[in-house]
Amino acid sequence: EAGVAQSPRYKIIEKRQSVAFWCNPISGHATLYWYQQILGQGPKLLIQFQNNGVVDDSQLPKDRFSAERLKGVDSTLKIQPAKLEDSAVYLCASSPWGGEAFFGQGTRLTVV
Amino acid sequence: GEDVEQSLFLSVREGDSSVINCTYTDSSSTYLYWYKQEPGAGLQLLTYIFSNMDMKQDQRLTVLLNKKDKHLSLRIADTQTGDSAIYFCAEIVTGGGNKLTFGTGTQLKVEL
Repeated sequence: EAGVAQSPRYKIIEKRQSVAFWCNPISGHATLYWYQQILGQGPKLLIQFQNNGVVDDSQLPKDRFSAERLKGVDSTLKIQPAKLEDSAVYLCASSPWGGEAFFGQGTRLTVV
Repeated sequence: GEDVEQSLFLSVREGDSSVINCTYTDSSSTYLYWYKQEPGAGLQLLTYIFSNMDMKQDQRLTVLLNKKDKHLSLRIADTQTGDSAIYFCAEIVTGGGNKLTFGTGTQLKVEL
């Protein structure tokens, strides 16, 4: 069974630029999560989808972050414009029922 | 509340047992998980316990749950150098979207 795929693995951008991350969950998994993990901290949930609907986006900075999950499969997370404090690893995870989550390798973003 | 707390660091000798502790605040938690994160990698699900259980054993791993004190622990028997990683506990509260909340992480260092 293929795991959760994320791209790119690494991204370096200047502040005020835009960036997008892509996630392909495990086939058949209805729930998809995006987490932000700042160095030395635990993952913080940004947004949770159930199929193509948003379940929780209470911690998503909506003035600069956006996410979509078209057709309930792949998802993209966008930051526009990026700030220095957005430097982190962005983790995508999927779950068959909203419980145990399976994670991708993550995208390490550095904002300079 | 949804705070999940862990001690930051644990050092053990190879061959000894490791015990990683976690406290959570939401008494409605239904599943509790342990994840392992190696440097530069995503999170790997190790094991989980349902909230109506007190203990679960899986090879070298033993999970203990004290629901009264909202305390979860992970015991690793015969700890090996390959067990060196950051360990995260996570809780999920079913209903309201099954939000998966992570702790702050415990870095386990295994010394020869």
